[in-house]
Amino acid sequence: DSGVTQTPKHLITATGQRVTLRCSPRSGDLSVYWYQQSLDQGLQFLIQYYNGEERAKGNILERFSAQQFPDLHSELNLSSLELGDSALYFCASSGLAGGFPTGELFFGEGSRLTVL
Amino acid sequence: GQQLNQSPQSMFIQEGEDVSMNCTSSSIFNTWLWYKQDPGEGPVLLIALYKAGELTSNGRLTAQFGITRKDSFLNISASIPSDVGIYFCAGQLPNTGNQFYFGTGTSLTVIP
Repeated sequence: DSGVTQTPKHLITATGQRVTLRCSPRSGDLSVYWYQQSLDQGLQFLIQYYNGEERAKGNILERFSAQQFPDLHSELNLSSLELGDSALYFCASSGLAGGFPTGELFFGEGSRLTVL
Repeated sequence: GQQLNQSPQSMFIQEGEDVSMNCTSSSIFNTWLWYKQDPGEGPVLLIALYKAGELTSNGRLTAQFGITRKDSFLNISASIPSDVGIYFCAGQLPNTGNQFYFGTGTSLTVIP
């Protein structure tokens, strides 16, 4: 158990719909990352938050947005869904040790999104 | 985005054999991480490396942070069926706000 919690585990929806994926980082971790993994593909970085603020953006579509709340949990919003958005969405968190980034990234078990 | 070249892309080996895979980049990294991912699961951190030349073991797994800081290697000794999965390398560039970049993965199949 990595300590990173993601919900829901599975989600099936239709094209054009909107969904929200939720992530709770490990206790004490300030950074949250979102990744997308399509079938048999690698991990595509979407976006990173640090202590409530957006830190970096990757290949995130304009239809997607995210935020990190004061309690450090994060949500990834996917709208106007298309068939190609079907994928595993992972949240990961990293923290600090002695005030410095630990350099380690811990993943949740993912949310599997199927768009029909 | 930053490219990490991971090889081989896939491996089919007999149980008991040793496995070697590597990751290279054109950039210098200050951290290298190795992950294993089982189907439908999240990647699990196996080994983290922080210094050039560092050699770290975790059971039958051994990883090294290349001396040039542009590569890393993962070795698995005496493979067993539960080693099956996809192995990813990840690197962290200096001065990028804690950004992590991932390799494309090595799919390992162990034949009993």
